[in-house]
Amino acid sequence: GNSVTQMEGPVTLSEEAFLTINCTYTATGYPSLFWYVQYPGEGLQLLLKATKADDKGSNKGFEATYRKETTSFHLEKGSVQVSDSAVYFCALSDFGTGRRALTFGSGTRLQVQP
Amino acid sequence: DADVTQTPRNRITKTGKRIMLECSQTKGHDRMYWYRQDPGLGLRLIYYSFDVKDINKGEISDGYSVSRQAQAKFSLSLESAIPNQTALYFCATSDLEGAVPTFFGQGTRLTVV
Repeated sequence: GNSVTQMEGPVTLSEEAFLTINCTYTATGYPSLFWYVQYPGEGLQLLLKATKADDKGSNKGFEATYRKETTSFHLEKGSVQVSDSAVYFCALSDFGTGRRALTFGSGTRLQVQP
Repeated sequence: DADVTQTPRNRITKTGKRIMLECSQTKGHDRMYWYRQDPGLGLRLIYYSFDVKDINKGEISDGYSVSRQAQAKFSLSLESAIPNQTALYFCATSDLEGAVPTFFGQGTRLTVV
């Protein structure tokens, strides 16, 4: 079956530090990959996506590259801000196999200190 | 106002009671979803609807039912609540192809005692 594994948090960084949140996946087909962000007290928002191998998704300074050879989709940002403090979820969709649901990772909490 | 509004935001109910969670959206999207979130488990899909006449079960539909009253409204019911349905419930909408939600509500925290 499909699964998504994220690094455990919380990840604590100082402002302007470089961010990497690791995400690896297992899928039987050719999935699309997503990152969602959940700010405190809010629902999730789609942050970025990549639909095929070697695609790079980007938004709000965040980037992630679909690496089929390592089955990974790590989230990166060159300089984090306090406002980036949130929980980040990696997810995959594998609709080619007939499944209609996204598979989510368990989430990684990021705390950015001033 | 929020694009996706859930009511109530918090609810405590007793085992065996019927409860309805409501969701309304102003995005104009046809696709709507109900998810539950449990600590350490991410989000799991309960039901989804691609239009008013289309209702589909997700991964964990047992013990739940839904109603799509209009394009903008999608409600989730627990027919007879049990304690392991204590969770954070999210409604979501999408304008993407496939079944990828893009906008989530703020969530309803449900506690079954």
